[in-house]
Amino acid sequence: DTGVSQDPRHKITKRGQNVTFRCDPISEHNRLYWYRQTLGQGPEFLTYFQNEAQLEKSRLLSDRFSAERPKGSFSTLEIQRTEQGDSAMYLCASSLAPGSSYSETQYFGPGTRLLVL
Amino acid sequence: GNSVTQMEGPVTLSEEAFLTINCTYTATGYPSLFWYVQYPGEGLQLLLKATKADDKGSNKGFEATYRKETTSFHLEKGSVQVSDSAVYFCALGNAGGTSYGKLTFGQGTILTVHP
Repeated sequence: DTGVSQDPRHKITKRGQNVTFRCDPISEHNRLYWYRQTLGQGPEFLTYFQNEAQLEKSRLLSDRFSAERPKGSFSTLEIQRTEQGDSAMYLCASSLAPGSSYSETQYFGPGTRLLVL
Repeated sequence: GNSVTQMEGPVTLSEEAFLTINCTYTATGYPSLFWYVQYPGEGLQLLLKATKADDKGSNKGFEATYRKETTSFHLEKGSVQVSDSAVYFCALGNAGGTSYGKLTFGQGTILTVHP
């Protein structure tokens, strides 16, 4: 079990550019979550997948944000036309889905820190 | 909707002092409750959890009891160490529906322990 990994760990971009982040969950986990954390605040939910299906999106997720999990394994989060307000830490977490072996515990990756200049 | 309120920080203590970080919540149904910890330069780690009323979660000397009557999940430790310096987040897991399992976090409490 190698844990949840995220890439890149840091990203600096100019306003208006597109960025894409990747998350690799724990291999047997079928749920994958994205959160955003700004300085001095707790993480805020953005979206989550169960296998390849995106089941919920927060109102925080504007049209410039899109997330995919094409084969039910890794996921990508893309931000188009970045704005300075997008600067934050983007966290990925994974867990098992409700079922006989369900554990609600979410395991978090180290995060991708985005700075938009 | 669901919400979590943590005591304002930062909290500064001397080593071996008693720690309490207050957490209260508002939720529908019967959520699970969590404490996560974030050490400097690291990701969020689960510290402890409780899934139903009166359950006590414990780990590494930390404890928290799920109090439904007061909608609280206060974190306590009898004797803190310098290595406990970190940011502590209280979180609530949605109890059902399509949002089952989604976490709602408090704003975090910075703990600094001095030798």
